[in-house]
Amino acid sequence: QSALTQAASVSGSPGQSITISCTGTSSDVGRYNYVSWYQQHPGKAPKLIIYDVSNRPSGVSNRFSGSKSGSTASLTISGLQAADEADYYCMSYTTSDTWVFGGGTKLTVL
Amino acid sequence: EVELVESGGGLVQPGGSLKLSCAASGFIFSGSVIHWVRQASGKGLEWVGQIGTERSGHATGYLASVKGRFTISRDESKNTAYLQMDSLTIEDTAVYFCTRHIPGHGIGSNWFDPWGQGTLVTVSS
Repeated sequence: QSALTQAASVSGSPGQSITISCTGTSSDVGRYNYVSWYQQHPGKAPKLIIYDVSNRPSGVSNRFSGSKSGSTASLTISGLQAADEADYYCMSYTTSDTWVFGGGTKLTVL
Repeated sequence: EVELVESGGGLVQPGGSLKLSCAASGFIFSGSVIHWVRQASGKGLEWVGQIGTERSGHATGYLASVKGRFTISRDESKNTAYLQMDSLTIEDTAVYFCTRHIPGHGIGSNWFDPWGQGTLVTVSS
């Protein structure tokens, strides 16, 4: 099972919006409408920020939003803040009854 | 507070073994599927395996590259899950996280929350 495809890095200025894409196959992202996204600051554990493509857990800012079209899911962060600088990972369940993550995207807030 | 705490990491020689623990608190451990995920230094997250609840007969599933070498188990009386790692290779060097599986309302609907802080496993001679 290959990792889902994410851009290695993305950057934006405070207040701007950025979008991170996550591309899979018909065996994972394209098969299920259930992608989740995780934020990970350096040296910290991953934190759930989006589940089931577009749902936010309690306590997660509404500046984070998710969507999906076909085999590509997307995470959008609006009103960028310095605290958003982190690595972001998408994840999907697969038809092999396993789970697969994206390679991760490093967000830099300029 | 829902919490997972890993322990047991350390330095081990290639071909050696190590057993990691994941202690859970703040939720009904016996009703929760537990996953192990690892992250090599500077690399992304990689799903390692999972163990189901008693209802599934504690069914397990593994990443292809660790199948036959790694074994996940759990002790409900201790609210703890374990990752037994045998025949370790340098490629197994990583921080190992445990995390709780949250099921949604459809097939394939699930997510991981929360995560432990991780424990570092270093395989080196």
